[in-house]
Amino acid sequence: GNSVTQMEGPVTLSEEAFLTINCTYTATGYPSLFWYVQYPGEGLQLLLKATKADDKGSNKGFEATYRKETTSFHLEKGSVQVSDSAVYFCALRGGSNYKLTFGKGTLLTVNP
Amino acid sequence: EAGVTQFPSHSVIEKGQTVTLRCDPISGHDNLYWYRRVMGKEIKFLLHFVKESKQDESGMPNNRFLAERTGGTYSTLKVQPAELEDSGVYFCASSQDRGQKKQYFGPGTRLTVT
Repeated sequence: GNSVTQMEGPVTLSEEAFLTINCTYTATGYPSLFWYVQYPGEGLQLLLKATKADDKGSNKGFEATYRKETTSFHLEKGSVQVSDSAVYFCALRGGSNYKLTFGKGTLLTVNP
Repeated sequence: EAGVTQFPSHSVIEKGQTVTLRCDPISGHDNLYWYRRVMGKEIKFLLHFVKESKQDESGMPNNRFLAERTGGTYSTLKVQPAELEDSGVYFCASSQDRGQKKQYFGPGTRLTVT
């Protein structure tokens, strides 16, 4: 079945540091890949997505590239802010399947 | 436009009691999903409604869980009787089109069973 493995947290960074959160997946066919973010006290929000190999999703300074050869979708941001502190979830949706399969989540704390 | 809302935000109950969680999807969204995150683990799919019909309940853990969506609007998820391992955060999501439109998530209900 489908599965997502993402970097265990927590991750603590200083403001303006570079962020990478690793995510790899196992899926049959050609899944769509997502990063969701949950800010404190809020619901999950879609941060970015990519639907086919070599696509790059980007939003709010975050980027992730769909790498089929390495089955990866690592999240990166060049300069994090305190307001980026949240839990980040990597997820996939396989083919025509509507179910989302999530990783365990990575708690990011950015200190001023 | 109002987002997905869930009630209550937090519930603490004793083992053996019953709890009912409610989800109000975005107006006009026919698809409604329940997910659960047990502490430190993945968010896992529980079930999917299209309007009032259950399309897929393959993720429901056992028969102590009952989901309904009468009239195709809001949904309830009842746990009866609750067990310690049911503790976690229960998320609801809704979408317009099955598999094609993004799922909008609610803030979740944190359930603690003591």
